[in-house]
Amino acid sequence: EPEVTQTPSHQVTQMGQEVILRCVPISNHLYFYWYRQILGQKVEFLVSFYNNEISEKSEIFDDQFSVERPDGSNFTLKIRSTKLEDSAMYFCASRTGTGNEKLFFGSGTQLSVL
Amino acid sequence: AQTVTQSQPEMSVQEAETVTLSCTYDTSESNYYLFWYKQPPSRQMILVIRQEAYKQQNATENRFSVNFQKAAKSFSLKISDSQLGDTAMYFCAFMKVSSNTGKLIFGQGTTLQVKP
Repeated sequence: EPEVTQTPSHQVTQMGQEVILRCVPISNHLYFYWYRQILGQKVEFLVSFYNNEISEKSEIFDDQFSVERPDGSNFTLKIRSTKLEDSAMYFCASRTGTGNEKLFFGSGTQLSVL
Repeated sequence: AQTVTQSQPEMSVQEAETVTLSCTYDTSESNYYLFWYKQPPSRQMILVIRQEAYKQQNATENRFSVNFQKAAKSFSLKISDSQLGDTAMYFCAFMKVSSNTGKLIFGQGTTLQVKP
């Protein structure tokens, strides 16, 4: 079965630094997502992306966050100036399109902000 | 706004026994999808089963089945013949059909331990 690929699996950064989390969604998928999960807590929606623009974002997704699909295959999440509370597992997900509700999740990037 | 509630933070079951995980949700939507996702220690999110709200028949996938009560806004997951590999955190999730974004709203999760 096709997979959503996320790199790196673990990322450690210093507070205030910029990080970019990378994802390669499944090739024929049109909708892309980022979710995050703080350890021991529920998975939270961050942002959805379709047709090269954000279609919906949560309150968590403030000006420190941005997403981009720079080359038609990668889908990135940038955190401009990381805070301690950004430490979490970040999941990328994708799906084919309207009428197909199944999201495929990547294996996640564990971000640790020190 | 939609909310999803899982009231059982932790559960345990003996291997080969049956266990039921509870989930309730709140929405004013008439058409939506409900899901159960499994998250093993590897933290990969794995879709277990899904239910379309307009279908009255409860979904089943091998040892996994749901009890969908639309009027009560309840969506429980039954795992039959529990196996050690079922040990994981289980998340109930909701998706509006009317939303083109396909955003999932998750519950807090239930940690299930299957004991030998």
